[in-house]
Amino acid sequence: GAVVSQHPSRVICKSGTSVKIECRSLDFQATTMFWYRQFPKKSLMLMATSNEGSKATYEQGVEKDKFLINHASLTLSTLTVTSAHPEDSSFYICSATGFPNEKLFFGSGTQLSVL
Amino acid sequence: GENVEQHPSTLSVQEGDSAVIKCTYSDSASNYFPWYKQELGKRPQLIIDIRSNVGEKKDQRIAVTLNKTAKHFSLHITETQPEDSAVYFCAAIHTGRRALTFGSGTRLQVQP
Repeated sequence: GAVVSQHPSRVICKSGTSVKIECRSLDFQATTMFWYRQFPKKSLMLMATSNEGSKATYEQGVEKDKFLINHASLTLSTLTVTSAHPEDSSFYICSATGFPNEKLFFGSGTQLSVL
Repeated sequence: GENVEQHPSTLSVQEGDSAVIKCTYSDSASNYFPWYKQELGKRPQLIIDIRSNVGEKKDQRIAVTLNKTAKHFSLHITETQPEDSAVYFCAAIHTGRRALTFGSGTRLQVQP
């Protein structure tokens, strides 16, 4: 299947700092990328949908000023958690779909721990 | 929006037995239903999917059935092996959004 790369895999940071997570599609053009959040033993909850070159669409209850999403190219989307707090600690995972494969592929995830 | 319910939340079977996980969805316009397998701390891996124009699809030990009228679909794993142990998520795509809605997950444990 297609390859989606996500970095970093693990981040530990102090409360109040910002953290940037990158998601790259390595062998296809990702016209749409999705960002999910997953708490321990829970399902994946969609945070936002981003289309290349346009503003992200956020799900209800997700603060767009706190979770900044940029999808400037067909191969890269970034999620920045601004002024992170302990309650933001979670597993963040991106997914991408696009030409030529319309199926959805996931990045490897980022475990964020805010102290 | 779409709502996907998944049962059971946990499932324990003996090696060699079959396992069945069931999901229901609410949006009759949904037309794509993938199943993912997720191991602890890893990314979800697509294991099988089905589109609404077919009722059943099989890939070796894994099969998925879809009943559009009842709006439910099921994952069937035969001859289970310990390496099948993981969390399985069903999902449905909400027409026009291209964003998957996931079920709550089923933790499958295959006892050797």
